[in-house]
Amino acid sequence: DAKTTQPPSMDCAEGRAANLPCNHSTISGNEYVYWYRQIHSQGPQYIIHGLKNNETNEMASLIITEDRKSSTLILPHATLRDTAVYYCIVRVGALDNTDKLIFGTGTRLQVFP
Amino acid sequence: NAGVTQTPKFQVLKTGQSMTLQCAQDMNHEYMSWYRQDPGMGLRLIHYSVGAGITDQGEVPNGYNVSRSTTEDFPLRLLSAAPSQTSVYFCASSKGAHGYTFGSGTRLTVV
Repeated sequence: DAKTTQPPSMDCAEGRAANLPCNHSTISGNEYVYWYRQIHSQGPQYIIHGLKNNETNEMASLIITEDRKSSTLILPHATLRDTAVYYCIVRVGALDNTDKLIFGTGTRLQVFP
Repeated sequence: NAGVTQTPKFQVLKTGQSMTLQCAQDMNHEYMSWYRQDPGMGLRLIHYSVGAGITDQGEVPNGYNVSRSTTEDFPLRLLSAAPSQTSVYFCASSKGAHGYTFGSGTRLTVV
């Protein structure tokens, strides 16, 4: 079973920040939070991941709460091309022999002009 | 560096036929996985591998077999195709804690 909970859909105006929340209240101390997105029927695209510190890359920022029970993906200036389904995933067994990604249902982000 | 390559991109099978979906990566990644995605649904894990010679079942393994004889290749076999296996299949690979890289998918229809 997926270990994350996300809202099914969100809207965002073009040029504004998109803040996508995720709850992962049962996350273990050595489990990472990963974010992926899927545009139309393409293969999922990796966005960012983190363990307990906030992370930023050229695509997005990831804010993880101090208790690690939730996180927020931030797209600072959303564009129409960011319209996609966004998946928050707790990576089970990263770096050991049980490593696997279990996807949930994700959040469908619609960016409008 | 081609990343993750899946072949074929499209396939139509008759019920009961067998086939192998190919997946190859040239990034020397230890971890490889197969997922299926039904229309309007999220991805479900079929089988995964943490290295050559090691495979394990995911969420929906029934009707599928895998093997991992080399680091580069992770084929998925359908022994007797059923209409319920109509789906889009994605292969993915990863190294260490880095993000998984996904292939472009194989769209399979079983009639």
